[in-house]
Amino acid sequence: AQTVTQSQPEMSVQEAETVTLSCTYDTSESDYYLFWYKQPPSRQMILVIRQEAYKQQNATENRFSVNFQKAAKSFSLKISDSQLGDAAMYFCAYRSAQGGSEKLVFGKGTKLTVNP
Amino acid sequence: DGGITQSPKYLFRKEGQNVTLSCEQNLNHDAMYWYRQDPGQGLRLIYYSQIVNDFQKGDIAEGYSVSREKKESFPLTVTSAQKNPTAFYLCASSMIAVGQLSNYGYTFGSGTRLTVV
Repeated sequence: AQTVTQSQPEMSVQEAETVTLSCTYDTSESDYYLFWYKQPPSRQMILVIRQEAYKQQNATENRFSVNFQKAAKSFSLKISDSQLGDAAMYFCAYRSAQGGSEKLVFGKGTKLTVNP
Repeated sequence: DGGITQSPKYLFRKEGQNVTLSCEQNLNHDAMYWYRQDPGQGLRLIYYSQIVNDFQKGDIAEGYSVSREKKESFPLTVTSAQKNPTAFYLCASSMIAVGQLSNYGYTFGSGTRLTVV
C-alpha cells in the first residue's frame, strides 16, 4: 500500500518570504499523480497543484511550484512571496494511475503560519 | 454552479444513535468518497464508490455504512458501532478516465462536523 509522509507538522514564514513544505511517499508503481491541497480555516479543501509522475518538468501555478524527485520519491511544495492568505493546513496526496484505483492517499498535513 | 453539497454542517449525536450525513454532487462525477479528518491524522478513507450500486471499504470502514443508489448521492451512516465518531467528515468526488491515465484531483464538499453529546 502507498503511504505519504509529511515530516513537518508545523511551519512558519514571514510575509513575502519563501517557504518549502516537504513530502515523501512510498510506492512500487511507476505511474501515478501527486497533489498538494490547501485547507484554510474554513476547512474547504482546495487543490493547489498537481504533478504527473511521467513528466520530468516540475509543475508551477503562479507562486506555487513543486520540486519533484521521482527517484527519491520526494514532492516538496515551494510557496514564493508568501501572503497572509496562504496560512492553512497543506496536505500532500498520492493517486495511482492504474485504472480503477482512484483513491487519494493523504499525508497528515503541515500547518503553515504566515507572520506579518 | 456545479459542486458538492454536504449537509448538515454541524451534527450532534447521542450515544447509541445512528446518524446519516448527506453528500450530493451535480458534477456528473463517477466516483465518490468519504473521508474522516481528525487533528494530527490527516484524511483517512472510510468508503468509496466508483459506480452506482457498488462501493468498497476504505481504511477505517468499521462502524460506518454507505449506499450509492443514485450517481449524484452518496450518504454516509455513522452507526452506534462506531465508538469514537466525533470528527470532521469530508465528501469528495472525481471523474474516472477508463483506459487512460488521469490526473484528476478531487472536488470536495465543505464538510460536516459530527459531535457526540
